[in-house]
Amino acid sequence: GAGVSQSPSNKVTEKGKDVELRCDPISGHTALYWYRQRLGQGLEFLIYFQGNSAPDKSGLPSDRFSAERTGESVSTLTIQRTQQEDSAVYLCASSADRVNEQFFGPGTRLTVL
Amino acid sequence: GNSVTQMEGPVTLSEEAFLTINCTYTATGYPSLFWYVQYPGEGLQLLLKATKADDKGSNKGFEATYRKETTSFHLEKGSVQVSDSAVYFCALVMDSNYQLIWGAGTKLIIKP
Repeated sequence: GAGVSQSPSNKVTEKGKDVELRCDPISGHTALYWYRQRLGQGLEFLIYFQGNSAPDKSGLPSDRFSAERTGESVSTLTIQRTQQEDSAVYLCASSADRVNEQFFGPGTRLTVL
Repeated sequence: GNSVTQMEGPVTLSEEAFLTINCTYTATGYPSLFWYVQYPGEGLQLLLKATKADDKGSNKGFEATYRKETTSFHLEKGSVQVSDSAVYFCALVMDSNYQLIWGAGTKLIIKP
């Protein structure tokens, strides 16, 4: 079956513009995660969705960041008024439940000029 | 809080050399431990895991043993290949939480 997919693979934007990143999890996976990976650093947790429960947004760095997920399907991460420090690879992962292995997408490389 | 520390890279070895990548953790409780690998141009994938003390995870010739007494989960391989060149991440998750806590990653370069 298909793995986790993300789009776009690369996004270059100008400072101040909004961007929307998309994640398609593995079918049937109830848990979905967004991470940020800055160059040369480990992964930074952003947000977690589990089924229809309220998401854990504790990792979002500012109110410019938001994410949505419809049921157990696609998720979008939106960054408003992008700043240069938002430049990073944004990774999405899904898992069958919260304690199982997370499967990662290839990421979206965001560059803010 | 919980944290993971792994050796800085890059680590450069010749083919068939013995590999150790150190990973230590700090956790209030008993986490599950993971090694993930990111090959060039590919997404992160689970390499191996261990869920309790003294467990040994193994895959593709790599091994790591969960050592509670030293709070470590070092990654080892007896004979590396060029195809092992990648970035390796150590991570933990607590049973009470779902957030993976990640190390910074170690880049491994294997020269023929």
